[in-house]
Amino acid sequence: GQNIDQPTEMTATEGAIVQINCTYQTSGFNGLFWYQQHAGEAPTFLSYNVLDGLEEKGRFSSFLSRSKGYSYLLLKELQMKDSASYLCAVIDSNYQLIWGAGTKLIIKP
Amino acid sequence: NAGVTQTPKFRILKIGQSMTLQCAQDMNHNYMYWYRQDPGMGLKLIYYSVGAGITDKGEVPNGYNVSRSTTEDFPLRLELAAPSQTSVYFCASRGAEGGSPLHFGNGTRLTVT
Repeated sequence: GQNIDQPTEMTATEGAIVQINCTYQTSGFNGLFWYQQHAGEAPTFLSYNVLDGLEEKGRFSSFLSRSKGYSYLLLKELQMKDSASYLCAVIDSNYQLIWGAGTKLIIKP
Repeated sequence: NAGVTQTPKFRILKIGQSMTLQCAQDMNHNYMYWYRQDPGMGLKLIYYSVGAGITDKGEVPNGYNVSRSTTEDFPLRLELAAPSQTSVYFCASRGAEGGSPLHFGNGTRLTVT
């Protein structure tokens, strides 16, 4: 079967750095997305990785290792507004999106 | 561009009633999706479409139907609503390129009582 694992919940302090991990076992791989979802709102696109390595976008970076079936989202200089759920999604060999259950990130002052 | 537009935003249905959730996108995207999201849970795919006239079941299609007569519109029909269908419904679309991200509508919050 296809599976994506993310921690259910993480807590971090304002101004700090947090890394949210995502491991996947899918039938094939054609890319990985990270989305942010604030409570009561729709998911919004953060990043896309298809090749190994780090993609940086301002305070957010996303890393991919295809050989390990592993990705992480790195959030720097945390702000209270970063409190949200972070969803990992993989495109499989049939170009279907497989979603993780999401990681709820709680930021404390 | 409006992106992905969903209506209504909220709806309360009685058990056994039917309704259609509307979804329209103005980005000329081929791929469109309907997801449901229960509180504290991830997204579950109900139906999807790869283009006008083509629809396919996702992982939780029972109790729902869809149609895709145009590229822009992808309505979701609930027949004989049940309390188990209480959820937040998201419509999304994406382009055909491999790295094209999903664009989500704002969601429809449905309660069946």
